[in-house]
Formats: sequence, structure tokens, C-alpha cells
Amino acid sequence: EAQVTQNPRYLITVTGKKLTVTCSQNMNHEYMSWYRQDPGLGLRQIYYSMNVEVTDKGDVPEGYKVSRKEKRNFPLILESPSPNQTSLYFCASSFSSGGTDTQYFGPGTRLTVL
Amino acid sequence: GENVEQHPSTLSVQEGDSAVIKCTYSDSASNYFPWYKQELGKRPQLIIDIRSNVGEKKDQRIAVTLNKTAKHFSLHITETQPEDSAVYFCAAYPLAGTYKYIFGTGTRLKVLA
Repeated sequence: EAQVTQNPRYLITVTGKKLTVTCSQNMNHEYMSWYRQDPGLGLRQIYYSMNVEVTDKGDVPEGYKVSRKEKRNFPLILESPSPNQTSLYFCASSFSSGGTDTQYFGPGTRLTVL
Repeated sequence: GENVEQHPSTLSVQEGDSAVIKCTYSDSASNYFPWYKQELGKRPQLIIDIRSNVGEKKDQRIAVTLNKTAKHFSLHITETQPEDSAVYFCAAYPLAGTYKYIFGTGTRLKVLA
């Protein structure tokens, strides 16, 4: 089944404890992206990747890192999480490297930083 | 900075009526405008999109119009049904010089039976 998967789905952690949220797609998509969703603020893009080893900052990259070593995986790393990173996170992917087609979203990861 | 303004933030309509959601973008480099629907507790899903070389696109009860001169685009849902109740997000892509998406803040649509 074609899909975008994220793990974990729920995570409660403490300030400063490094964590990684994994994202994987099995559709051979070029473009991958991370978003955070907060009430009243919509979806805000954190980082995106147009292809392997090509990543760039979105609108709210501070406090996050990403890597794209393989086409299918795009992990989101929080090296020192803070409470203001408590949010709902979505990974998404689309076929073309230009990004101008359907983005398929993962199921979301709800992160709470205490 | 560059942004996408979306209005209204909430919208209630009677079943069978039409709903219109409007978005205004600021970056003239944007040429792709998707709309996503997010049901409660679910992930966003694309419902329709439009590119800048087209003024209108329709898919059954859903249509999107684009006015490049005014930099705004709208989602039109006709004959609304209870299952249309969701949050709708517009987006503009790309931001000039990037491959970045800018999303609107969302519209919560309630269709009253």
C-alpha cells in the first residue's frame, strides 16, 4: 500500500532530551517535507527536501534538523527540545522534486515537551 | 514576510447551501495553489489544486478560482453535505527563490443538517 509513515505517533518527553521522529514513504517520491500544526497557525513548513542530500529551511526551522540520506526516509531531529516545540507534526511527500503536485501526508506525531 | 491570508476562520452553512473560502497570497512568484481538507483527528488530504495558467478548475461539487492580478484564490463547495465538515487549508507555492510552501491558517467549516 502506498503510504507515508511516521514514528512515533505520540511522544511525551522532557526539555533537552534529544529525539528523532522518523518519516518514510514507499512511493519513490522526490520531494519530502516536515510541517508543524498549531491551533490558529495552520500548517507551517519546518524543512523540505527536493532530493537525496538536498534539504532547505522552511518557515520555522529553528530548533530542528533533518537529513535525507536515502530517498525514502526523512527524519526530523530535535537536538534539545523545548516546550514551545510541543505540537502536532506531519511529514509529507510528493512525486516531483519541484513539489508542484499532491502532497501525501503521514498520520502525524503528537509531541509534548515538558 | 510573505504569507497567505485565509478567510473566514470559521464558517457555518446549512446542508445544501454553498460555502466559499478565500485566500490571498503576497508572493507573485507563486504558481501552484492547492487546497487540503483535514477531518477531525486525521491528516490533511488534497481535494483540489490550480496552477497559475488556469483561471478556474472544477471537480464535481468543488471548484477553485484564481485571480492572479489580485493575488487571490477561492474554494467553492456547492450542495454542502455533513461530510464536508472539516478544516480546509489553502496554500501557495513556491515562495520566490525557494521550494517552500506557505499555508493559510485554515477555515473550520460546519455543515448543519
